[in-house]
Amino acid sequence: QVQLVESGGGVVQPGRSLRLSCAASGFTFSAYAIHWVRQAPGKGLEWVALISDNGSNKFSADSVKGRLTVSRDNSKNTQYLQIYGLRPEDTAVYYCARENLAGGGFDYWGQGTLVTVSS
Amino acid sequence: DIQMTQSPSSLSASVGDRVTITCQASQDINNYLNWYQQKPGKAPKLLIYDASNLETGVPSRFSGSGSGTDFTLNISSLQPEDVATYYCQQYDNLFSFGPGTKVNVK
Repeated sequence: QVQLVESGGGVVQPGRSLRLSCAASGFTFSAYAIHWVRQAPGKGLEWVALISDNGSNKFSADSVKGRLTVSRDNSKNTQYLQIYGLRPEDTAVYYCARENLAGGGFDYWGQGTLVTVSS
Repeated sequence: DIQMTQSPSSLSASVGDRVTITCQASQDINNYLNWYQQKPGKAPKLLIYDASNLETGVPSRFSGSGSGTDFTLNISSLQPEDVATYYCQQYDNLFSFGPGTKVNVK
């Protein structure tokens, strides 16, 4: 069955960087775009970034632009999100999600990994 | 940037009631609109894609409609398991979510 598993979250000091991973299984990873969506405690969903199926196209939200790198290794069925210069407002659960082939809808999500930015 | 608004922000209805949630985009997004359900402590779940298409496995009491800037999610007969927060999402210009509508059962 389709699975997405995030890892790499934790407590990090302001200004530091963190790399999150999203390991996929149960589908042809290289055929799908993968997104990152975050949710601050008690708040709504915020789209963060996208990497296309072959990694050639990458987009990010204005709130994090210039502070993150998305990449993927299709040989390892894994996608990565690295965030630099972390701020307290980056504290959130970070989800990776698969974009369905019809376009636009996120049909499978991971369980999320919590990032807490605090000194 | 395309801004999404939803109303109401929360509602409480009885089991069996029809529930309607509206979503408005700040500009025409064609039909590039999806709806998600999120239960507490869980990841979101795709309910409706392209404004009106029911995702596989989603109960038929859920339906979506609309185009352009105004969209609606309907639950024809509210069930206890529908207690959740519902989000709309546009993908006409990158991606963005509405602020959510929290649905409770009286």
